[in-house]
Amino acid sequence: GAGVSQSPRYKVAKRGQDVALRCDPISGHVSLFWYQQALGQGPEFLTYFQNEAQLDKSGLPSDRFFAERPEGSVSTLKIQRTQQEDSAVYLCASSLVYRATGELFFGEGSRLTVL
Amino acid sequence: ILNVEQSPQSLHVQEGDSTNFTCSFPSSNFYALHWYRWETAKSPEALFVMTLNGDEKKKGRISATLNTKEGYSYLYIKGSQPEDSATYLCAPHRPVLNTGFQKLVFGTGTRLLVSP
Repeated sequence: GAGVSQSPRYKVAKRGQDVALRCDPISGHVSLFWYQQALGQGPEFLTYFQNEAQLDKSGLPSDRFFAERPEGSVSTLKIQRTQQEDSAVYLCASSLVYRATGELFFGEGSRLTVL
Repeated sequence: ILNVEQSPQSLHVQEGDSTNFTCSFPSSNFYALHWYRWETAKSPEALFVMTLNGDEKKKGRISATLNTKEGYSYLYIKGSQPEDSATYLCAPHRPVLNTGFQKLVFGTGTRLLVSP
């Protein structure tokens, strides 16, 4: 596709449910990032992939959060046993290669609401 | 923890007004500064990436300056239009680690509303 695509756009989950959020990056983009944006905050880094390798997962808030990118293209962020504090917009971004001066191309985000 | 501050948190101006907001960051351990614009229900979109002290970049009516010695960047919008309404995020980038990666850290943003 032309841009980064995320699904679902909106997800309502009951506390304790598992959710999976999908990111389809721009074709050919090696680098893929997940960010979490809570209400009133800026996006916070969760994890980074270079192709299928997860090179940094230091931002994942707990072991309930798991991300994968098995074939180096589509990525899935999975949250197990969701809690209310997991309510946020989850943003995916990709870039052709990773550079500190390179811009990130973001999707529109998946808004998760945990009741 | 990288302390990034953006001010004001929100701003409401009339169409045609010029406006500016600030991004402050630690001047030590700096490599680059990113500015993004995020319109409601859309994707964050890159505006500028700046690295050099005194750098100034411009895109249409929007421009940005960078002072790496004192740790701040200004974003200016000349003659604001309703379509400029968005949240403007800055993100300083520290030097890349020996792992070859350094995460981008975003501020909380300045929410701009431009009324017709």
